[in-house]
Amino acid sequence: DAKTTQPPSMDCAEGRAANLPCNHSTISGNEYVYWYRQIHSQGPQYIIHGLKNNETNEMASLIITEDRKSSTLILPHATLRDTAVYYCIVHRNAGNMLTFGGGTRLMVKP
Amino acid sequence: GAVVSQHPSWVICKSGTSVKIECRSLDFQATTMFWYRQFPKQSLMLMATSNEGSKATYEQGVEKDKFLINHASLTLSTLTVTSAHPEDSSFYICSARKLAGGYEQYFGPGTRLTVT
Repeated sequence: DAKTTQPPSMDCAEGRAANLPCNHSTISGNEYVYWYRQIHSQGPQYIIHGLKNNETNEMASLIITEDRKSSTLILPHATLRDTAVYYCIVHRNAGNMLTFGGGTRLMVKP
Repeated sequence: GAVVSQHPSWVICKSGTSVKIECRSLDFQATTMFWYRQFPKQSLMLMATSNEGSKATYEQGVEKDKFLINHASLTLSTLTVTSAHPEDSSFYICSARKLAGGYEQYFGPGTRLTVT
């Protein structure tokens, strides 16, 4: 699976959009980009995934660059409850085991 | 749908004893369940992959005789930490993949194990 690089931490003001970047320059054509988040002392929560088109659901939007070497997870109106560690994972099939990197610790501040 | 539960949510045990952690898929059947371990301020590390009705596959460095995994049904997998030691204190998280449907994994809430 392709390796991902994320900033270790980010701050965001409550109510503003949180844009979390992820670099995956070695991604293969059949690999998806998955995003999970982990709120303190809880299990990871699935957020969104995509292959090459941008995706949106009730939680977030995923923007994947045309060359697929990077992506951005967007939380349009961050709340204090969005404070968590966000993991970007590149994988062919998330039904198999996932390799978690360091993730980005997002702190949403009032 | 796609809820995974773990029991217990936290447990304290004495060194040398064994502890069993249950992972259940509540509203779906899971062919495969995964067990992860997470130490404080670290990321999740996969311990083993559990397939219903067959032996678990352990990651390198994980002792299969110490961490016993049983996946007896499509909704239940158990992890038993045998002869626990303080260094086994960690956050244990399971996840499950649906028998049918997409490829998302659904994670349990985790079990905090403290060995004294």
